[in-house]
Amino acid sequence: QPVLTQPRSSSASPGETARLTCTLPGDFSVGASNIYWYQQKAGGPPRFLLYYYSDSDKGLASGVPSRFSASRDVSANAGILVISDLQSDDEADYYCMIWPTDPVFGGGTTLTVL
Amino acid sequence: QVQLQESGPGLVKPSHTLSLTCTVSGDSVSSDSYFWNWIRQPAGKGLQWIGRIYPSGGTNYNPSLESRVSISLDTSKNQFSLRLKSVTAADTATYFCARGLVDSALGERLDPWGQGTLVTVSS
Repeated sequence: QPVLTQPRSSSASPGETARLTCTLPGDFSVGASNIYWYQQKAGGPPRFLLYYYSDSDKGLASGVPSRFSASRDVSANAGILVISDLQSDDEADYYCMIWPTDPVFGGGTTLTVL
Repeated sequence: QVQLQESGPGLVKPSHTLSLTCTVSGDSVSSDSYFWNWIRQPAGKGLQWIGRIYPSGGTNYNPSLESRVSISLDTSKNQFSLRLKSVTAADTATYFCARGLVDSALGERLDPWGQGTLVTVSS
């Protein structure tokens, strides 16, 4: 089972842009992987936000604001969740996931909106 | 709108079997468009996929749990169930059920999830 690496925590102020990274292990290429992102608010279940393969192959789940987007850093072999115009309601844990044959999650990043 | 709800004992003794049920409303577990999953999350930790079942009854499990886990389907009740045998304290977690689907628009995903149920393994 591959291990996806996410920073334990991140913080930003309202109105700013947060970039949360998800580093893939060496035997998986971010250029060849769909990366999925989930949001989990305190005490609740995860919620699917979006997936990203490339700038021309991506999708945002229904009801998710367009402030949520994604990209990738090929040199770092990492997927990136981008949340612009941060709001207090965005404070949550964010998990990345890949699906080589079965779902594999990262350890999650706790985003604090200061 | 599809909804999932987990149910089952909140306390299980060590070495015993954990049994949970997920009741699906607003959709059919027999639909060929979906498959049905269990995921768990220890307190303060990340998510671990446990396994899935297809409408045909076919299953796939996380290799780290495969020897102890089974997932079954009850189409008459529109439910699917999880059994995890020989539990230890390390199995204490919130257990979620989730619908799995694949399409060209949004890829493979788990959506939606149930609210989750906490299972504690303790004597």
